[in-house]
Amino acid sequence: SQQGEEDPQALSIQEGENATMNCSYKTSINNLQWYRQNSGRGLVHLILIRSNEREKHSGRLRVTLDTSKKSSSLLITASRAADTASYFCATVNTGANSKLTFGKGITLSVRP
Amino acid sequence: SQTIHQWPATLVQPVGSPLSLECTVEGTSNPNLYWYRQAAGRGLQLLFYSVGIGQISSEVPQNLSASRPQDRQFILSSKKLLLSDSGFYLCAWSDNILGEQYFGPGTRLTVT
Repeated sequence: SQQGEEDPQALSIQEGENATMNCSYKTSINNLQWYRQNSGRGLVHLILIRSNEREKHSGRLRVTLDTSKKSSSLLITASRAADTASYFCATVNTGANSKLTFGKGITLSVRP
Repeated sequence: SQTIHQWPATLVQPVGSPLSLECTVEGTSNPNLYWYRQAAGRGLQLLFYSVGIGQISSEVPQNLSASRPQDRQFILSSKKLLLSDSGFYLCAWSDNILGEQYFGPGTRLTVT
């Protein structure tokens, strides 16, 4: 069953601009992860943020987590054409037998 | 470093034919292994996961089965394919059931 829901479904920006993608979820989580998928390829893990963390950075990526609002955002700064891909948020719920549950993804197009 | 292989990369099979997709991981021991299916324009659906040799958990009633005959080998099978089995199949591994997952390149299956 789907847990995370990304917003918007599609985003088109100019190279150099920042891209902000949002994810909302329904139940309590252990952590939230963001992945990237280039067309026709496997997913690549970008960043994991734990439920007791509020913000994490990795290079041009910044992820925030607001557990009170059950939401997360992924910010890509100074976007490049190579950032064009689908981005997925995925959550690991609390409780026994927790597994990674993916949203439907956001399609990001960065125009050169 | 760890690598994950999947084959074949693409497959076209007639309805009613058998299926065998293979996934192998190198450079790690006792990984958690996962099979996902991704329908066009959608997120990932977890099909099976395994925490050890011979231990398979099924997430969704399917026309599919999985086996783990060796520590780093995960096989997805079907005795008789259906049209609805078409999709992009992804294998992944993790060393922590709650942590990040690392994906293979995927197999594009078309059932005709």
